Formats: sequence, C-alpha cells, structure tokens
Amino acid sequence: DGGITQSPKYLFRKEGQNVTLSCEQNLNHDAMYWYRQDPGQGLRLIYYSQIVNDFQKGDIAEGYSVSREKKESFPLTVTSAQKNPTAFYLCASGRDRTYEQYFGPGTRLTVT
Amino acid sequence: GESVGLHLPTLSVQEGDNSIINCAYSNSASDYFIWYKQESGKGPQFIIDIRSNMDKRQGQRVTVLLNKTVKHLSLQIAATQPGDSAVYFCAEDYKGGSYIPTFGRGTSLIVHP
Repeated sequence: DGGITQSPKYLFRKEGQNVTLSCEQNLNHDAMYWYRQDPGQGLRLIYYSQIVNDFQKGDIAEGYSVSREKKESFPLTVTSAQKNPTAFYLCASGRDRTYEQYFGPGTRLTVT
Repeated sequence: GESVGLHLPTLSVQEGDNSIINCAYSNSASDYFIWYKQESGKGPQFIIDIRSNMDKRQGQRVTVLLNKTVKHLSLQIAATQPGDSAVYFCAEDYKGGSYIPTFGRGTSLIVHP
C-alpha cells in the first residue's frame, strides 16, 4: 500500500524542548517537502529536498532543521528557537519536476 | 504579504449545483497554477494544474479557467456533491519553473444535501 505517512498524528511538548516529526514515503519520489499550516491560512513552505543528502530552505525555515539521509525519509526537527511552534505540519512528496504533490495526514504539534 | 489570495473565504452551495471558486493572483510572472482540495483533518490532495499559456483545462467534473488579463483563476466543480465539501487552495509558481508552489489562504466549500 503506497503512500506517505507522518507520525504521530498529535504531539504535545513543553516549551524549550526540541521535537522531531517523522515523514516516510514509499512512492519512490525524489522530492519531499515540509509545510506549516496555521488556522485559516494557506500552507507555508519550511524546507524541501529534491534529492538525497540535499535540502533547501523554504520561506519560513528559521527555528527548524531537516535531514535527508534516505530517499524515503525526511524528518523535521522543531527546535526551541522556533518562536511559535504550535501548528499543523504537513509533509509531502512528489516526482521531480512536477506540481503534483502527495501529502501525508499531518502532525498537529502543540507546545505549551 | 502573500501573492495569492481568494475572493471568498466560504462558499455554500446545494448538492447538484455547480460551484465556482475564485482566486486572484498578483504576480504576472507566474508560470503555473495549481488547485488542491483539503478535507477536514487531512492533507491536501492535488486536483488539477494549468500552465500560463492555457486559458482552460478540464478534469473529471472540474474545470480550471485562467484569465491572465485580470490575473484571475477559477475552479469550477460540476454537479457538486457532499463529498466535495472541503477547503480549496489555489497555488502559483512564480519562481520560474521551480516546482515549488506558493499557496493562498483557501476557500471553504460547504455543500448542503
């Protein structure tokens, strides 16, 4: 059953703690993306990777970090430097040079 | 500010009616436009895209129209069904074929049975 998975669905953390969100895909896609979605807002790009061992900052990368050691995996770390980390985080993947992105179900992160 | 916006945040229609969701964009250099559908609690799902050298593109029950003169994009859904209830996002690529779209805020479509 091919697809893109994110875990966990809900995540709670205390302020000042780093937290890592998982994203895995078995679609054999080269490109992977992380977005942040706030209530009533569109998606904002955090980081993206178009090939293994390479990634680029998106529009709101400050306070976040990623790695792309494997084609299937693109974990996102929300660091304590991120001032407003509470949000819905979406991971996506896609074939190279296409606009059709496949999204995971998302992780809702709450930091108190 | 965002370069992609929407005319209406919420659109309510009756089942069976046709729906039209509008989107205004501000960057005349945008090369591609994409529509996504997001159901509650889920990730967005690709619907259809259109290149800037086209005026119209049709998919299954959906049609996207592009008016570059007034920088306007619309998504038409024929015979709207309750399962079409979702938030619809338009997105544009104004970075010259980067394949990294910029998303607008979204329009909520509510279909009444």
